[in-house]
Amino acid sequence: QVQLQESGPGLVKPSQTLSLTCTVSGGSISSGGYYWSWIRQHPGKGLEWIGYIYYSGSTYYNPSLKSRVTISVDTSKNQFSLKLSSVTAADTAVYYCARVARPSIWFDPWGQGTLVTVSS
Amino acid sequence: SSELTQDPAVSVALGQTVRITCQGDSLRSYYASWYQQKPGQAPVLVIYGKNNRPSGIPDRFSGSSSGNTASLTITGAQAEDEADYYCNSRDSSGVVFGGGTKLTVL
Repeated sequence: QVQLQESGPGLVKPSQTLSLTCTVSGGSISSGGYYWSWIRQHPGKGLEWIGYIYYSGSTYYNPSLKSRVTISVDTSKNQFSLKLSSVTAADTAVYYCARVARPSIWFDPWGQGTLVTVSS
Repeated sequence: SSELTQDPAVSVALGQTVRITCQGDSLRSYYASWYQQKPGQAPVLVIYGKNNRPSGIPDRFSGSSSGNTASLTITGAQAEDEADYYCNSRDSSGVVFGGGTKLTVL
């Protein structure tokens, strides 16, 4: 049973880069067939897709965040990562990682989520 | 990018049937998926594809689609079904989520 776990700083200063890692257990990112995604949820709000990556390194990003987002994969560690640059208070959110099935796109399973607060 | 529209709140009497809808142009081309989210928890996939339930999801959850509208139906709603429900689909820009529907079980 695949499980995902987010990790990274819970507090980031404005203008800095938010960095999170998702560790996958119970299955290999390299096995193919699935993509690996980041999604966020602002406090009390809905879900926002950030982007996803294939084990080969192919990436797809939300156009509204594309200029600030980088998602990368480390197959040797069975991890994938998110970097979001030039953060502001508007980037304060719970960040989730999830496995993605295509082509219709569904997310399952999800990590438990990690709250990242942007504040000085 | 396209949008998916959901009613902000829906209520249902215990044991009755409720339908939660999701509207958007992308649904003419792609199936919707549905997620249940309880307070303080991560979303959980309840319906994907044409009408598929992941292992462990009760069969009172079902999905359907017509034109630009996808629906999640809960037949015989239980108290534990009270939660936020989100739809999502693929679209021309990548992925889109609905704004969510808060389901109250009376």
